[in-house]
Amino acid sequence: DQQVKQNSPSLSVQEGRISILNCDYTNSMFDYFLWYKKYPAEGPTFLISISSIKDKNEDGRFTVFLNKSAKHLSLHIVPSQPGDSAVYFCAASEYQFTSGTYKYIFGTGTRLKVLA
Amino acid sequence: NAGVTQTPKFRVLKTGQSMTLLCAQDMNHEYMYWYRQDPGMGLRLIHYSVGEGTTAKGEVPDGYNVSRLKKQNFLLGLESAAPSQTSVYFCASSQRPHRGNTEAFFGQGTRLTVV
Repeated sequence: DQQVKQNSPSLSVQEGRISILNCDYTNSMFDYFLWYKKYPAEGPTFLISISSIKDKNEDGRFTVFLNKSAKHLSLHIVPSQPGDSAVYFCAASEYQFTSGTYKYIFGTGTRLKVLA
Repeated sequence: NAGVTQTPKFRVLKTGQSMTLLCAQDMNHEYMYWYRQDPGMGLRLIHYSVGEGTTAKGEVPDGYNVSRLKKQNFLLGLESAAPSQTSVYFCASSQRPHRGNTEAFFGQGTRLTVV
């Protein structure tokens, strides 16, 4: 039972256009949502996050939108560049009271290809 | 900056063999993690450590053991490898999370094939 879902395995976008990557979740106890970017043969790298009490967070070309009622978030990349071609993972965190730590659940990833 | 370094990058094992994956970080992070990535499954937590000498189970701990004898190293062991353990393994480290958006730093991954 996946609590964090990325239903689109892949996405192709023209350079300069907007890329929209989607993520759905089921657990209303998640307190933060994070996006990681992964290039081939490398580990994931942190990109941007959003608190569950916010609906938008922006960092340069990257913006995360959160719709809590729909349990949906999206990552917008504007304008898209060929260097953005990578796999993007959505992740969600939940505080674990029994251990005093945060648990992170990752989605399956979306492969973005930005065409020059 | 080395960050998080995993050794080896690739390995092929026969069923029943054992091996140890080494993870080293030079950022003085308290927390370290081992994940596995499988097609259609995302990253799943195997074991984690909140400090030197401590370890805890994650989502999929069966068939693996870990040790954190030194703060900078986190070892993942497979005592008797099975084909189901064929995967890409990622080590990560982070500061002690004070909030749920604490960034984790990942190694480059180890591709393990069990035949």
